[in-house]
Amino acid sequence: GAVVSQHPSWVICKSGTSVKIECRSLDFQATTMFWYRQFPKQSLMLMATSNEGSKATYEQGVEKDKFLINHASLTLSTLTVTSAHPEDSSFYICSAHQSPGQPSGYTFGSGTRLTVV
Amino acid sequence: AQSVSQHNHHVILSEAASLELGCNYSYGGTVNLFWYVQYPGQHLQLLLKYFSGDPLVKGIKGFEAEFIKSKFSFNLRKPSVQWSDTAEYFCAAHSSNTGKLIFGQGTTLQVKP
Repeated sequence: GAVVSQHPSWVICKSGTSVKIECRSLDFQATTMFWYRQFPKQSLMLMATSNEGSKATYEQGVEKDKFLINHASLTLSTLTVTSAHPEDSSFYICSAHQSPGQPSGYTFGSGTRLTVV
Repeated sequence: AQSVSQHNHHVILSEAASLELGCNYSYGGTVNLFWYVQYPGQHLQLLLKYFSGDPLVKGIKGFEAEFIKSKFSFNLRKPSVQWSDTAEYFCAAHSSNTGKLIFGQGTTLQVKP
């Protein structure tokens, strides 16, 4: 079956530094990837939609200059949290869409737990 | 705006009890509905999904859900829960209008042995 690899699985960084999270589709091409954030005991909140070769579409309230998304190839999307602060500590999850327009094709990564100290 | 609402935030049941978790959605256009489960320390797993056809959908591990269009609902059910069903459950909806998969708030299910 389809597999999405997300790396790193956890990271601790100092306040003010930047952290990059990678999301790779291992055995399929994903023209669209989604980035979610999950706070403890809360649901997944969609942050942005990443389309290969074009700019990401951010949800309302998500700072595009803080959460940089790059989708340079059909198998890789990256999320960079710039100038991280403790309030950015969260669980970040990516999802790759196998078939555009086909909702059955969502596959989730295992998530990245970011702790900013 | 599209939204998904789960009514039960925290449910505690004894083993063998029946389960029903509520989910309502607010969408335009064609909607596809999902239930996901997240076991402690693990990533999301798909339990079941509805696209069209029979509104009663059967998923893995004995779960089922019923799509009731008139009520904009997609409730999850299981006749007899097990301790291993302890997890977080998320209802999600995909709209053909937006192409986005939006999640409900989640329900924490705790099954006591």
